[in-house]
Amino acid sequence: AQKVTQAQTEISVVEKEDVTLDCVYETRDTTYYLFWYKQPPSGELVFLIRRNSFDEQNEISGRYSWNFQKSTSSFNFTITASQVVDSAVYFCALSFRRRDMRFGAGTRLTVKP
Amino acid sequence: DTEVTQTPKHLVMGMTNKKSLKCEQHMGHRAMYWYKQKAKKPPELMFVYSYEKLSINESVPSRFSPECPNSSLLNLHLHALQPEDSALYLCASSQGGGGLATDTQYFGPGTRLTVL
Repeated sequence: AQKVTQAQTEISVVEKEDVTLDCVYETRDTTYYLFWYKQPPSGELVFLIRRNSFDEQNEISGRYSWNFQKSTSSFNFTITASQVVDSAVYFCALSFRRRDMRFGAGTRLTVKP
Repeated sequence: DTEVTQTPKHLVMGMTNKKSLKCEQHMGHRAMYWYKQKAKKPPELMFVYSYEKLSINESVPSRFSPECPNSSLLNLHLHALQPEDSALYLCASSQGGGGLATDTQYFGPGTRLTVL
């Protein structure tokens, strides 16, 4: 089965706190891609990162960082020093043989001033 | 530029109406997608076009009819919809037209559809 689990439905933090969004995936494929998207209230899905199954290197982009661990089938996303503008729904997604993606249920992040 | 545009932003229609949603991209992408997203749910794939040909139809009811007139345009024709079809309809595109899911999908802002 191809599945993405985002166990955290909602997270609320105060500005400047660090926050980690969890993503656990299941797949039988050896070649697959993992993504994170941000969906602000406006509705558009904004691409954040793509990682292929052969590249376990962690990635940092400004205040964002991603930790990919095949041993635990996890692809977690950390926002450092969160800001109000980070408030959104964040989706983790798995893409495999076909041209579609399986999205997790999403985590709604609220950053309070 | 990773822009995908969608029109209209909002649409209200009755169950007997016929309407169309439009999606456009000028990034030279060869695959285009329609997704449906209900409130507080993740997007669900409806259709995939690859090199202007329909390659995936996720068992979508025939009241939704996709069309890809050219490589930059994707339409979704709506007819005899039900109130439960009310949702955010998202269009996306990705670069390659091959068989593997190797490409990043870039999404438009969506059309919020309400069926009365």
